Amino acid sequence: ETGVTQSPTHLIKTRGQQVTLRCSSQSGHNTVSWYQQALGQGPQFIFQYYREEENGRGNFPPRFSGLQFPNYSSELNVNALELDDSALYLCASSLGTSLNTQYFGPGTRLTVL
Amino acid sequence: AQSVTQLGSHVSVSEGALVLLRCNYSSSVPPYLFWYVQYPNQGLQLLLKYTTGATLVKGINGFEAEFKKSETSFHLTKPSAHMSDAAEYFCAVSAPPNTGNQFYFGTGTSLTVIP
Repeated sequence: ETGVTQSPTHLIKTRGQQVTLRCSSQSGHNTVSWYQQALGQGPQFIFQYYREEENGRGNFPPRFSGLQFPNYSSELNVNALELDDSALYLCASSLGTSLNTQYFGPGTRLTVL
Repeated sequence: AQSVTQLGSHVSVSEGALVLLRCNYSSSVPPYLFWYVQYPNQGLQLLLKYTTGATLVKGINGFEAEFKKSETSFHLTKPSAHMSDAAEYFCAVSAPPNTGNQFYFGTGTSLTVIP
C-alpha cells in the first residue's frame, strides 16, 4: 500500500505567476483534501474533492482551484500568486466521510518572491 | 461551526516527565477529534482519534487523550516523555458525516524534551 505523495517538494515562483501542485492519494482512497500551512500556523482547509467533484471549500479566493482525476489523484492550482501564498501545501487522502482518518502527504513548500 | 484552541504554543518537559498538551474545541454538533504530530519538514501523522464510544483513546507512541464533553476538551498526554517526542502537535476537529468533511486545526503546540 503506497502512501500519499506530493510533487514537487519545493517550488519558487514570483508574484503574479501561476502554480500547479500535484497529489497522489493513498491506494483505495477516493477523497482528497488540500490545506495551506503558513509558517508557525496550523493547516487551513482549502477544499476537498470526492469522486472528482468539489465537496467543500474553506475561506480561500477563487484563484485557488483544483481538480480530481478518475484515479483520485488531484491538483491544486493557484493563479495570480501573492507573497502571502508562500506556505507549505498539504494534501490528505481518505476514504469517504470525516469518520475516516485523513492521511497526509509530506507537502510542497511554495515560496513566492 | 467548529474550532480548536490549543493552550500553550510551546511546552518544555524533561525526559521521563509527564507530557500534557491542551486542546479545547467548539462544535455545534458532536465532534470528531484528532491529534496529529508533525516532525520538521514532514507532513502530519495521526496519533489518535475520537469518534464515538470510549472517551479515553489510546494512540501510537504511548500517547492517549480523553474526550471530556462537559469541559469541551481533548487533552493529549503521555506518562513519560522521550527525546523522540520533540515535534509540533496539532489538535483537529471535524464534523460528522453529512455536515461537511472539513478538518479545523489548532495553531499547534511545539514540544521540547530536555535531556
